[in-house]
Amino acid sequence: AQRVTQPEKLLSVFKGAPVELKCNYSYSGSPELFWYVQYSRQRLQLLLRHISRESIKGFTADLNKGETSFHLKKPFAQEEDSAMYYCALLGRGGGNKLTFGTGTQLKVEL
Amino acid sequence: DAGVIQSPRHEVTEMGQEVTLRCKPISGHDYLFWYRQTMMRGLELLIYFNNNVPIDDSGMPEDRFSAKMPNASFSTLKIQPSEPRDSAVYFCASSLHRGDTEAFFGQGTRLTVV
Repeated sequence: AQRVTQPEKLLSVFKGAPVELKCNYSYSGSPELFWYVQYSRQRLQLLLRHISRESIKGFTADLNKGETSFHLKKPFAQEEDSAMYYCALLGRGGGNKLTFGTGTQLKVEL
Repeated sequence: DAGVIQSPRHEVTEMGQEVTLRCKPISGHDYLFWYRQTMMRGLELLIYFNNNVPIDDSGMPEDRFSAKMPNASFSTLKIQPSEPRDSAVYFCASSLHRGDTEAFFGQGTRLTVV
């Protein structure tokens, strides 16, 4: 079974403060992990994927297999970062099953 | 390509009525996913297809829910009979089969059952 856990439903930070959105996963194989973002009135879209090791809009995420975590981080939050963030796991066993966490609403206050 | 297209965007129906949600995936994509989004549970995977074949429907809440994919360019999610607790936003997504698979989402159907 594969499962993604995002412990925080809501995270509120001030502009310029560091951000960390937590994600833990459970999967018996080698996972592929993603962060998706949903801005107000827009479609859910891919933010970044762990295999790319990229920084998108200042966000980074490192896969920690020992802690089974894939936390999303940004050193300085911007007002436009306010959105709903979903962590997702792609399990290859038996097909490309894409499972999401329950999401964290990030609110960046001025 | 216009992306994943879902219809209708909004649906209001009375309890007990049949509801059909529609999805057109991106041309050439092998996988199609149906998700339900609620405040309490976030994004729940209901069912997904590979090359029009249902692979995993373990997320379908109960027998009132059914999904079909008669061809590569069309899928439906049906609820019969509908209940107020089915009220949610239903998303369809599609993706290719490759190592760095990205799922592309439709704009969703907001279903309200009164």
